[in-house]
Amino acid sequence: AQSVAQPEDQVNVAEGNPLTVKCTYSVSGNPYLFWYVQYPNRGLQFLLKYITGDNLVKGSYGFEAEFNKSQTSFHLKKPSALVSDSALYFCAVRGPTSGTYKYIFGTGTRLKVLA
Amino acid sequence: DSGVTQTPKHLITATGQRVTLRCSPRSGDLSVYWYQQSLDQGLQFLIQYYNGEERAKGNILERFSAQQFPDLHSELNLSSLELGDSALYFCASSVTGGTGELFFGEGSRLTVL
Repeated sequence: AQSVAQPEDQVNVAEGNPLTVKCTYSVSGNPYLFWYVQYPNRGLQFLLKYITGDNLVKGSYGFEAEFNKSQTSFHLKKPSALVSDSALYFCAVRGPTSGTYKYIFGTGTRLKVLA
Repeated sequence: DSGVTQTPKHLITATGQRVTLRCSPRSGDLSVYWYQQSLDQGLQFLIQYYNGEERAKGNILERFSAQQFPDLHSELNLSSLELGDSALYFCASSVTGGTGELFFGEGSRLTVL
């Protein structure tokens, strides 16, 4: 069965510093991996995805993520955090098995960027 | 704006009652997904439909049911409501083919008193 783990409930970082939000996954075969952001009282917004190809994926708002197959990780990164990046971040995985398009989400990591 | 529309935005009801949540996917998207987000359990996958047919099932209670209609809108029916059903219910749709990202609606907040 596919699963996603986000080991940190909350990450605090100072504005201007680099940030990392961690995600590890478990899925049979090659995974499809996603990051989403949720602002208060809003739906989830897509940030970036890894399907195949280059292990470093660039997405919206200056975010990027690094796919590491040997460590089964897909950590979200940003070189310089902004206060406006403060939000809830979700990692998600979808198995490549055709016919079963379950997207499984992690429990979320709250990012707090301090001015 | 993701293009996914959910109604109602807020709903307050009593235990034992039944409610229906509605979702209109993005134009052209054939897949609809339902998720439940509660404070202590994160985002739980409930069920997925593709072009009117059920494709995948998650942790959906027997008191809950869903369907997708010929015009592709979907409804999630919650019955015999309990206090613990209070949550945000999200609908999402995806591009046909299933390799892409999900587009989420703004959610329906259900409060059961």
